[in-house]
Amino acid sequence: EADIYQTPRYLVIGTGKKITLECSQTMGHDKMYWYQQDPGMELHLIHYSYGVNSTEKGDLSSESTVSRIRTEHFPLTLESARPSHTSQYLCASSESGGSIETQYFGPGTRLLVL
Amino acid sequence: AQSVAQPEDQVNVAEGNPLTVKCTYSVSGNPYLFWYVQYPNRGLQFLLKYITGDNLVKGSYGFEAEFNKSQTSFHLKKPSALVSDSALYFCAVSFYNTDKLIFGTGTRLQVFP
Repeated sequence: EADIYQTPRYLVIGTGKKITLECSQTMGHDKMYWYQQDPGMELHLIHYSYGVNSTEKGDLSSESTVSRIRTEHFPLTLESARPSHTSQYLCASSESGGSIETQYFGPGTRLLVL
Repeated sequence: AQSVAQPEDQVNVAEGNPLTVKCTYSVSGNPYLFWYVQYPNRGLQFLLKYITGDNLVKGSYGFEAEFNKSQTSFHLKKPSALVSDSALYFCAVSFYNTDKLIFGTGTRLQVFP
């Protein structure tokens, strides 16, 4: 198991609330990622970061935002949650290097917006 | 466009029998291929990857995968399935100079006692 943590594991919240999903890793990895996993199981990259103060949007458009102030921490924020945000969110990290590095995943946060 | 396909939504196999989970890809240039497994209420766990070299890659839990360039495939195999192998399996592809993973839609493996 990789040393990457996500909290909360489950969250049920009402429409319009602001939420932050936490992701932390203790491996010293420079690169971190957020994926959204649909109920139909497919994963889509929504945000990534190559290091402190670096954030980029992924392939799937998302209303969420991210920040990377510390190497080990990559939180995701939804300013106003909506039912369409209901999904599972998976955080991952990988080393920097010349070759393709393996991404290691956290356990995920399952979000339900009512 | 870069893509990866897992043509089977579900694979059923009896315990002790060999299993195969199929994956094909479409990328320009040399692909880097990965297999991950997801158990219920868990994140993805890395199984194995192909970057270059030997076409047969061995990974965790007795799994292996064979890279076939002519068929653009990277099928996951295990000689003898266990009930505990029952899970969701994802194939993913990346390529040179990018760390982005493109995932397949996943295949649910069900191993029956």
